[in-house]
Amino acid sequence: GENVEQHPSTLSVQEGDSAVIKCTYSDSASNYFPWYKQELGKGPQLIIDIRSNVGEKKDQRIAVTLNKTAKHFSLHITETQPEDSAVYFCAANSWGKLQFGAGTQVVVTP
Amino acid sequence: SAVISQKPSRDICQRGTSLTIQCQVDSQVTMMFWYRQQPGQSLTLIATANQGSEATYESGFVIDKFPISRPNLTFSTLTVSNMSPEDSSIYLCSVETSGIGSGELFFGEGSRLTVL
Repeated sequence: GENVEQHPSTLSVQEGDSAVIKCTYSDSASNYFPWYKQELGKGPQLIIDIRSNVGEKKDQRIAVTLNKTAKHFSLHITETQPEDSAVYFCAANSWGKLQFGAGTQVVVTP
Repeated sequence: SAVISQKPSRDICQRGTSLTIQCQVDSQVTMMFWYRQQPGQSLTLIATANQGSEATYESGFVIDKFPISRPNLTFSTLTVSNMSPEDSSIYLCSVETSGIGSGELFFGEGSRLTVL
């Protein structure tokens, strides 16, 4: 089955700096890669996703890149703000199901 | 997207009891999923619930412990049976709205269970 590894487990950044979270996956048949943001006490919220037919997708301050050959994808947050503080999960689909990474705790300090 | 409501939002339960979690969606969906998120951990799929058929359970999860109902296209329940402290987790309902197998999941806010 699919195995998704996510790094780092924690990330502390200064407000205004960029944050990058990286994930690798094992199933070469995976073709959908979403990212979720989970704030304390809330459910995961889909913030951006990418399918295997594109290499990059951007939505305002967040972007995702995908390297299918190397089987890794990354989340980039630019100009970080305190409200970006949360746990971020990457995921990859395999056999119709999503396999989630372990999560990254992002802390944005003013 | 979809609006997903879960009840209860949180509960404290006694060992050996059972609790049923409800999930209501504001639109008809074919695929509904139940996840467990143990404290500080990632999301683990418990089962897939399709209307009109038995739920499909993932490895490590059994129907006797986590019975699921899916009476229609907007509602599902998950029961956590004979609870122990190890069942203390967030239980999340999710739906797939962009076609079967699309992978595009939306989650409810979760039901936070503490078992004493």
